[in-house]
Amino acid sequence: GDSVTQMEGPVTLSEEAFLTINCTYTATGYPSLFWYVQYPGEGLQLLLKATKADDKGSNKGFEATYRKETTSFHLEKGSVQVSDSAVYFCALSGARFRGGATNKLIFGTGTLLAVQP
Amino acid sequence: DAGITQSPRYKITETGRQVTLMCHQTWSHSYMFWYRQDLGHGLRLIYYSAAADITDKGEVPDGYVVSRSKTENFPLTLESATRSQTSVYFCASTFSGANVLTFGAGSRLTVL
Repeated sequence: GDSVTQMEGPVTLSEEAFLTINCTYTATGYPSLFWYVQYPGEGLQLLLKATKADDKGSNKGFEATYRKETTSFHLEKGSVQVSDSAVYFCALSGARFRGGATNKLIFGTGTLLAVQP
Repeated sequence: DAGITQSPRYKITETGRQVTLMCHQTWSHSYMFWYRQDLGHGLRLIYYSAAADITDKGEVPDGYVVSRSKTENFPLTLESATRSQTSVYFCASTFSGANVLTFGAGSRLTVL
């Protein structure tokens, strides 16, 4: 079945360091790919998404490119800040819910990022 | 206030008790979801609802009951809580045909 694999955390970086969080997926068809972020004490919120191969999603300085050939969607940021400390989830849109037009979201296990001043 | 709200935010209960977690959204989203978040497992889907009076099981439905009599509300009930149900529970919603979920702030449940 569809699945998402993320690098295990925690990832600890100093402020202004370069960030990469790896995400690979297994899916049939052509899923959309997402990164969600969860700040301490809050629910998940969409960070960026890509709907087809070679698309690049970007938001708040974060980027991820949909690589079909390597089935990957790695999250990157050139210079992290303390305020980026959060848990990051990679996700893909899986099979449709029964009878509906909305797809199931399959989440990875999350990667905790801690940025130190 | 517009948005998706969960209550209670924190709950401590004992094994065997019934607990209901509430979820309310103001956007008239047709789809609503309940996930649980556990270390090492990420988010796992418990139940979802495609519309009022339409609910279906997700990945880990055992021990949970849901209902959806109104579009805006989607309560999750643990009929007889167990320690393994200690978790953080997230409600989410979206429009039909959309794949971007909006999440509530979560309900942290501890079962002693």
